[in-house]
Amino acid sequence: AQSVSQHNHHVILSEAASLELGCNYSYGGTVNLFWYVQYPGQHLQLLLKYFSGDPLVKGIKGFEAEFIKSKFSFNLRKPSVQWSDTAEYFCAVNGGTSYGKLTFGQGTILTVHP
Amino acid sequence: DTAVSQTPKYLVTQMGNDKSIKCEQNLGHDTMYWYKQDSKKFLKIMFSYNNKELIINETVPNRFSPKSPDKAHLNLHINSLELGDSAVYFCASSQRSGRGTQYFGPGTRLTVL
Repeated sequence: AQSVSQHNHHVILSEAASLELGCNYSYGGTVNLFWYVQYPGQHLQLLLKYFSGDPLVKGIKGFEAEFIKSKFSFNLRKPSVQWSDTAEYFCAVNGGTSYGKLTFGQGTILTVHP
Repeated sequence: DTAVSQTPKYLVTQMGNDKSIKCEQNLGHDTMYWYKQDSKKFLKIMFSYNNKELIINETVPNRFSPKSPDKAHLNLHINSLELGDSAVYFCASSQRSGRGTQYFGPGTRLTVL
């Protein structure tokens, strides 16, 4: 079965700091990869996705992620975070025999201090 | 112009009751899903329907019964509610029979007392 692992449970940064959230997945075949964000009290919103092509994908609000197939990783980055980025971030994978089923990581809470 | 909507947003009920949550999408997608987010914020799929047909049924107690009257609607009925059913339930939809990006509804926070 697929699994997704997010390395950090809670990340605390000051505004303007750079961000990198780790995500690794277990399936070795073709996958679709996603990062979702959940702001406090709100629903999941898509930040960015990778299906194929350029492994460096850009999303909304200045976020980007890099797919490294050899490392089974899809890390999320942002060069300079803002207080409004405070939220929980979820990495998710859809692939293999589980097409249609998104497998989520445990989530990383990001707190940005002004 | 809400894409995926759910009702109700909050649901508080007693153990043993039966309740339903409704979901509608106006994106023209062919696949809909129910996910459960537990108290630790872990999200896990419960069901998936493609064109009104059940295609994913994870290990979910049969007290949970999804129903899809048409491809724009996927409702979740829960019988004999238990304390452990307390969670946030998210509906989602996608195109391309499950291979497309999934868009989520606002969630229904269910509290069983």
